[in-house]
Amino acid sequence: DVKVTQSSRYLVKRTGEKVFLECVQDMDHENMFWYRQDPGLGLRLIYFSYDVKMKEKGDIPEGYSVSREKKERFSLILESASTNQTSMYLCASSLGTSGRVDTQYFGPGTRLTVL
Amino acid sequence: AQSVTQPDIHITVSEGASLELRCNYSYGATPYLFWYVQSPGQGLQLLLKYFSGDTLVQGIKGFEAEFKRSQSSFNLRKPSVHWSDAAEYFCAVADFGNEKLTFGTGTRLTIIP
Repeated sequence: DVKVTQSSRYLVKRTGEKVFLECVQDMDHENMFWYRQDPGLGLRLIYFSYDVKMKEKGDIPEGYSVSREKKERFSLILESASTNQTSMYLCASSLGTSGRVDTQYFGPGTRLTVL
Repeated sequence: AQSVTQPDIHITVSEGASLELRCNYSYGATPYLFWYVQSPGQGLQLLLKYFSGDTLVQGIKGFEAEFKRSQSSFNLRKPSVHWSDAAEYFCAVADFGNEKLTFGTGTRLTIIP
């Protein structure tokens, strides 16, 4: 079974702090994704990566950056956390087969509260 | 741009009753469609997916979905719900070029005895 893990289930930070959310997958997947989930808005894509050191902006990248130094790890960074970034953050990974759409597998999520 | 609409924010059904959750999509080409379920406090689990072929797709936990191109719909069904089906359900469409998923806003399902 694919396993996607996220470093924290719950996180509380102060406004202005730099925040790191970590995601690790154990199935040698090429693609990794970060979403945020808000009530009434569903899931929205922040960033995704289809290879080590490669990244692309999703639909709502403002205020976020990402890092992928190793294939299995994809980090989401909030350079200066703000209260409007209080949300549930979900990481996902997929195999990344060329010419195909592969299933995305999700981690359990990190609920971030910014005070 | 692709989009997904789930018109029902919240649905309540009795245990043992049938269920249908609606999903409409907008996408210029052949859609790649998914249904995910999220139990309270959990991540998303794939229920089923449609890429091509038979328009009636079977998934896990007794769920099925039917792709209707003429109606741009991909509705999720289950003939008899169980209390453990209480969760939030998300429909999504994938962009073939980069696998970006666009999600609907979700439907929360409540089961009553």
